[in-house]
Amino acid sequence: SQQGEEDPQALSIQEGENATMNCSYKTSINNLQWYRQNSGRGLVHLILIRSNEREKHSGRLRVTLDTSKKSSSLLITASRAADTASYFCATGLHNNDMRFGAGTRLTVKP
Amino acid sequence: NAGVMQNPRHLVRRRGQEARLRCSPMKGHSHVYWYRQLPEEGLKFMVYLQKENIIDESGMPKERFSAEFPKEGPSILRIQQVVRGDSAAYFCASSPSDGTNTEAFFGQGTRLTVV
Repeated sequence: SQQGEEDPQALSIQEGENATMNCSYKTSINNLQWYRQNSGRGLVHLILIRSNEREKHSGRLRVTLDTSKKSSSLLITASRAADTASYFCATGLHNNDMRFGAGTRLTVKP
Repeated sequence: NAGVMQNPRHLVRRRGQEARLRCSPMKGHSHVYWYRQLPEEGLKFMVYLQKENIIDESGMPKERFSAEFPKEGPSILRIQQVVRGDSAAYFCASSPSDGTNTEAFFGQGTRLTVV
């Protein structure tokens, strides 16, 4: 089944550094979505990138998609302590088909 | 426009009791999805509903779990005769269409604890 798998599982960086998280999946997709989850909270949608797109930006976030390698990366530039959260990628042809990975737990130290 | 509203935020049930989790989608959204998240894990799809219809329940256990999305009112995820293994966070999401290239908006979740 389609499933996003994030890598690394945990990442700890200093404030101001960049954070890169990767996601791999197994089958064809229409789009790939990245979400953030603060501890004990719901998911917040960050970016949706379509299968015919290669790169997308939103503020300090940059997402790339390589469909030939079935992988995506999320880059957070100039990280802040408030970016500390778990980040999930989700893939699927439709929302009801979305499969989430276990997430990358990002810690940004002030 | 309020976001996806779930209640209760926290629910404690004894083994064998019933748990009812409610989800009110965003205004104008007719598609609802339920996910379960176990500690330290990602979300796992359970069921997809449109108004008065279950579209896909492939992720939902066949016994004790049921879901509905009536014409009026919130979507309900019902767990009968809860067991300790049902303890998890249950998230609801909604979208305005079937989700092809459309983001899903998530609620804050209901944390179910079975004691």
